Amino acid sequence: AQSVAQPEDQVNVAEGNPLTVKCTYSVSGNPYLFWYVQYPNRGLQFLLKYITGDNLVKGSYGFEAEFNKSQTSFHLKKPSALVSDSALYFCAVRALSGGSYIPTFGRGTSLIVHP
Amino acid sequence: EAQVTQNPRYLITVTGKKLTVTCSQNMNHEYMSWYRQDPGLGLRQIYYSMNVEVTDKGDVPEGYKVSRKEKRNFPLILESPSPNQTSLYFCASSSDRSSYNEQFFGPGTRLTVL
Repeated sequence: AQSVAQPEDQVNVAEGNPLTVKCTYSVSGNPYLFWYVQYPNRGLQFLLKYITGDNLVKGSYGFEAEFNKSQTSFHLKKPSALVSDSALYFCAVRALSGGSYIPTFGRGTSLIVHP
Repeated sequence: EAQVTQNPRYLITVTGKKLTVTCSQNMNHEYMSWYRQDPGLGLRQIYYSMNVEVTDKGDVPEGYKVSRKEKRNFPLILESPSPNQTSLYFCASSSDRSSYNEQFFGPGTRLTVL
């Protein structure tokens, strides 16, 4: 069975500092990895994805993520955090499981950027 | 504007009173799904549909039903709601069954079952 772990419930960072939100996964076969962001009282919005190719993926709002196959990780990063980046972030994986590509989401990490 | 809509956005009901949460997308997407979001548990998939008249169970299907009679609509039905179904529900769609396509999410429906 596939799984996704986001080891930190909350990440605190000062505005202007770099941020990292961690994600590790477990699948059989090749994973397709995604990051989504959820702002208060909103649905999830797609940020970026890794399918194949370059391990460093760039997405919306200046975010990027690095796929590391040996460590089975897909950490979300941003060089300089903004207060407006404060939100709930979800990592997700889609891989073939029982004949279907059912997506599995992590529990979410609350990112708080302090002014 | 490309979007996924859900109605109602908020609903308070009582145990056992049947309810339906509607979901509609205007992107001609084949794949649609329902999730529930609970604190500390993240998103869990309830049901999904690969295409019209094709539905299948996700991780937590007990107590829910779905139908897919039209491509754009994917209603979630709770025939006898119970308090443990109090949750935030999201509908999502993606362009096809390919695993590498991102999903588009609706704004959510906050359901309280008393």
